[in-house]
This record gives sequence, structure tokens and C-alpha cells, in this order.
Amino acid sequence: SSELTQDPAVSVALGQTVRITCQGDSLRIYYVSWYQQKPGQAPVLVIFGKNNRPSGIPDRFSGSRSGNTASLTITGAQAEDEADYYCMSRDSSGNHYVFGSGTTVTV
Amino acid sequence: QVQLQESGPGLVKPSETLSLSCTVSGGSISSYYWTWIRQPPGKGLEWIGHISYSGITNYSPSLRRRATISVDTSKNQFSLKLTSVTATDTAVYFCARGYSYGPGLGFDYWGQGILVTVS
Repeated sequence: SSELTQDPAVSVALGQTVRITCQGDSLRIYYVSWYQQKPGQAPVLVIFGKNNRPSGIPDRFSGSRSGNTASLTITGAQAEDEADYYCMSRDSSGNHYVFGSGTTVTV
Repeated sequence: QVQLQESGPGLVKPSETLSLSCTVSGGSISSYYWTWIRQPPGKGLEWIGHISYSGITNYSPSLRRRATISVDTSKNQFSLKLTSVTATDTAVYFCARGYSYGPGLGFDYWGQGILVTVS
């Protein structure tokens, strides 16, 4: 099992807001990066650090952290946001990296 | 625009060594953390390990004894070798560029992935 726990699936109505969470002890110290993956494609970085978006990522994607939980929020979800989302951070030792178990978002 | 491209055999026999290369174009390989990630069919992502711009490697504890990542700066390539493979190593293997933002990494460029079947 992953050291970073995510809900397996969430659904959101078109135009509404959805929050995807990632829990792990290491998140009390380290930030996560978030990845969007559509079927048959490589993942795409959508958020890294405190709340940074790479160039080209819409501003409806935002990140936050509280305690041992990191969140990715999609405000005004679009049909094209339907995908799997993975968090990634350091493991509990702080020496290696680990992905969360992934969340399937249905719009 | 940075691009990464995996290459290597798509079929490996059990107990043999899986060998993949990743060619980086549009940017120098002399910086960043060059990373291998895999994804078994229908499952989630697994970080395998990376090699830094200074040649320091870091591997997943579960794969440390079998994985070796190396870099050839003259070819702008980095490589993965995974020994003693079994069917559980069947996966899509991605190479990616790790960008350091302080204490963390973000994988900002990815290859398209290559399916390797162990059979």
C-alpha cells in the first residue's frame, strides 16, 4: 500500500468544485506535486510546491496543505478535467519519493 | 521545447535484464533529476529512482537491489537496467525530468512511455 493515501474516486458536476485529497505523515513536512493522467497518456504536472502551476495549466487548479493532508482543488470543473490524479512527495524517511494511490475524477 | 523519448525492447524473458534508454532533446541533461517511473497495467504510478545532474543516484527501497540508473551526457541520454525481472515488472515505463523546487521534486516533462512485458 502507498504511504500517500487518496480516495479512489470522486465525481463532480460540470462547473462545480471538487477537492482531491492526499494524506501521509511526510506531508507535515514536505509539499506535494499533483499529476493529471488521461487514458493512454503520460501524466501531466498540474501543481507543485505550495501552490504553483506550470505554464499552460488553467488557474481553476489550485493546491493547499493542512497538517498531514494535501489537497488539489478544481474550481469550475470542465469535461476535459475527467482523469486520474496522483499526488507525489517524499516518503516517511524523507529520502525517497512516492506516488499516492490515485483518484479517478468523473465530471 | 524539452522532449523525452524512451526506447528499448518491449518483451523481456523472466530472470533476464530489462534495459531502457531515454533520449532528451531540446535541453541539456547536465541539470535536473532524471527519473524513471513505471505503471503496471490498470494500476498506479511507481517511482523507480533518479540520477542527479551530479551523477548521484536514488532508488526506491523496493527496487534498489535490482535497479541501476546511469547517464551518458555525450548522448544526452539516461538509462535504466532492472535485473532478474518477473511478470510483476510488466508495466509502462516512463522517463521524466525532475525539477527541484527546494525540498521537493516536480516531474515537468515526461516521455510517452514504453510498455515492457515480461513473458
